[in-house]
Amino acid sequence: NAGVTQTPKFQVLKTGQSMTLQCAQDMNHEYMSWYRQDPGMGLRLIHYSVGAGITDQGEVPNGYNVSRSTTEDFPLRLLSAAPSQTSVYFCASSYNGQGNHQPQHFGDGTRLSIL
Amino acid sequence: SQQGEEDPQALSIQEGENATMNCSYKTSINNLQWYRQNSGRGLVHLILIRSNEREKHSGRLRVTLDTSKKSSSLLITASRAADTASYFCATGGNDYKLSFGAGTTVTVRA
Repeated sequence: NAGVTQTPKFQVLKTGQSMTLQCAQDMNHEYMSWYRQDPGMGLRLIHYSVGAGITDQGEVPNGYNVSRSTTEDFPLRLLSAAPSQTSVYFCASSYNGQGNHQPQHFGDGTRLSIL
Repeated sequence: SQQGEEDPQALSIQEGENATMNCSYKTSINNLQWYRQNSGRGLVHLILIRSNEREKHSGRLRVTLDTSKKSSSLLITASRAADTASYFCATGGNDYKLSFGAGTTVTVRA
């Protein structure tokens, strides 16, 4: 099993550009989520999904879109990149819909810099 | 806002010593989880303790939960250089969200 795979690992964007961060899991997990990690602030929840076709906002959703067309994939879209979105982004998954009651499996992150 | 807050922010210990870190939270929870993050990597799940449990063990790890004080502690016994990492607590309530603290950075000196 590959677990949770995030691509790309590193990315540099210019302000105003858009991009999609990819996340895929091969564990048939229902629950998937996106976090951003900034120095001294731990992880903050951006968006989450309890199953295919269902998404909801987390703590810091502004500037980000998600969709969940399959169980395996949960891409995160930056619509118009801003320097404040410079961060490390983590995708996580767990095996049932009440995701916060289960151990999360994390990817290794995407390090994103916005110039 | 973040639910959990770890204390201390940083901890430096000698190999073989025990390391203790604490997590406090503000609202009622269903469960509390501890994670480890090595530099440049994703988080790895260590232990999940439910609100009706008081203590759990996993190898050299011991977690306690006191819901009356809204606090938890993680004890790492007989620390090793490989335990050098950041440790995060995360709380899950009656929604679908997991809320993380800012973490404790542990350095184990040889």
